[in-house]
Amino acid sequence: ELKVEQNPLFLSMQEGKNYTIYCNYSTTSDRLYWYRQDPGKSLESLFVLLSNGAVKQEGRLMASLDTKARLSTLHITAAVHDLSATYFCAALQGGSEKLVFGKGTKLTVNP
Amino acid sequence: EPEVTQTPSHQVTQMGQEVILRCVPISNHLYFYWYRQILGQKVEFLVSFYNNEISEKSEIFDDQFSVERPDGSNFTLKIRSTKLEDSAMYFCENRGIGETQYFGPGTRLLVL
Repeated sequence: ELKVEQNPLFLSMQEGKNYTIYCNYSTTSDRLYWYRQDPGKSLESLFVLLSNGAVKQEGRLMASLDTKARLSTLHITAAVHDLSATYFCAALQGGSEKLVFGKGTKLTVNP
Repeated sequence: EPEVTQTPSHQVTQMGQEVILRCVPISNHLYFYWYRQILGQKVEFLVSFYNNEISEKSEIFDDQFSVERPDGSNFTLKIRSTKLEDSAMYFCENRGIGETQYFGPGTRLLVL
C-alpha cells in the first residue's frame, strides 16, 4: 500500500530565505501533486508532476520529481509572508484513482 | 475561472442522524471525488465517481456512506447514521478531461 511521508511537518523561516519540503512515497506512483491550504480553506492545486525529472515552477515555488528515488521536492525561493500556509503532497496509487496525501507541512514565514 | 460549490458550508448534527452533503460541479466535468479532512490532519480520499458509478472507494467509505447524482447535476455524499468520528471537513473535487483539479470550498461537519 502506498504511503506518503512529508518532512518537515512544521517549518518556520524568515522572509528572503530558501528552503525545501520533501515528499517521499513508498511504491510506484503515476502522478505526484502539490497543494496549498490556507487555514479553514480548501485545497489549491499547485503542481502536477507526471514523469521522472519533471520540474515545474510558479513564482517562488518550484517542484521536482525523482521517480527512481520516489522523492518529490517543493523548493521555496526568497520566501515572503504570503507563502505562509500548509503544503500537502499527494501521490496517485498505481493503477488506481486513489490519491494518498502526506501529513502536510505547515509553513510560517516571519517578517 | 470555473468553480465548484458545496452546500452547506457548515452542518451540525446529532450522532445517528443522516446528513447529505452537496456538490455543484462544473458543467461537463464528469469526474467526481470526495475527500475528508479531520481537523488538523491530512486529507483522505473517500470515493471517486464517474458515469453514475463509483469507480473506486477507500476503506473509510463503508456502508454508512453513499454517493449519487440524483438530478444529473448535483453530486451528493450521504452519511446514513453519523458517528462522532465523522466530524471533519468534506471536500468535493471535480475534473474534466485532463489534469486540472477543482476543489469545492468544503463542508464542515460537526457530529455531537
